[in-house]
Amino acid sequence: EAGVAQSPRYKIIEKRQSVAFWCNPISGHATLYWYQQILGQGPKLLIQFQNNGVVDDSQLPKDRFSAERLKGVDSTLKIQPAKLEDSAVYLCASSFTSGQGYEQYFGPGTRLTVT
Amino acid sequence: TQLLEQSPQFLSIQEGENLTVYCNSSSVFSSLQWYRQEPGEGPVLLVTVVTGGEVKKLKRLTFQFGDARKDSSLHITAAQPGDTGLYLCAGAPRDSNYQLIWGAGTKLIIKP
Repeated sequence: EAGVAQSPRYKIIEKRQSVAFWCNPISGHATLYWYQQILGQGPKLLIQFQNNGVVDDSQLPKDRFSAERLKGVDSTLKIQPAKLEDSAVYLCASSFTSGQGYEQYFGPGTRLTVT
Repeated sequence: TQLLEQSPQFLSIQEGENLTVYCNSSSVFSSLQWYRQEPGEGPVLLVTVVTGGEVKKLKRLTFQFGDARKDSSLHITAAQPGDTGLYLCAGAPRDSNYQLIWGAGTKLIIKP
């Protein structure tokens, strides 16, 4: 079974530039998550999708971050414009469905450096 | 605000030693998960504990969920270099049916 795919693996941009990350979840997984993990910290949920609908985006900085999951499969996360404090690893995860007890499977992440 | 505090933040020990890391909260969780994250990779689920007082073993790793479901521990016996990584705990709050609360992790280094 193929895992969660993310690209790119690494990205370096200057502040005020824009960047986009792509995620392909495990086939058949209805729930998709985007997390931000700053060095030395645990993952912070940015947005959760159930199929192509947003379940929770309360911690997404909506003035600069946007995400979509068209057709309920792949997802993209965009930052525009980027700030220095956005430097982090962006993790995508998927699970069969939402709800307690369902294992989240993580991709390898995209390491973003904003200079 | 619900928090999960992990301790210690960093631990470096010699191969063959035993260790315990902790995950504590003032909140009650319906379930708690432990993940291991290696450099350049995403977290991988090790175990889910659901019942207060539950103990689960995974080879040399022993996981315990507190009786009150507010805390958990991970004990590693005879640590090996392959155990090196960031250990994260994540709890499912009793009043939420989907979002996990994540700890900051314990960075573990096992020296050969």
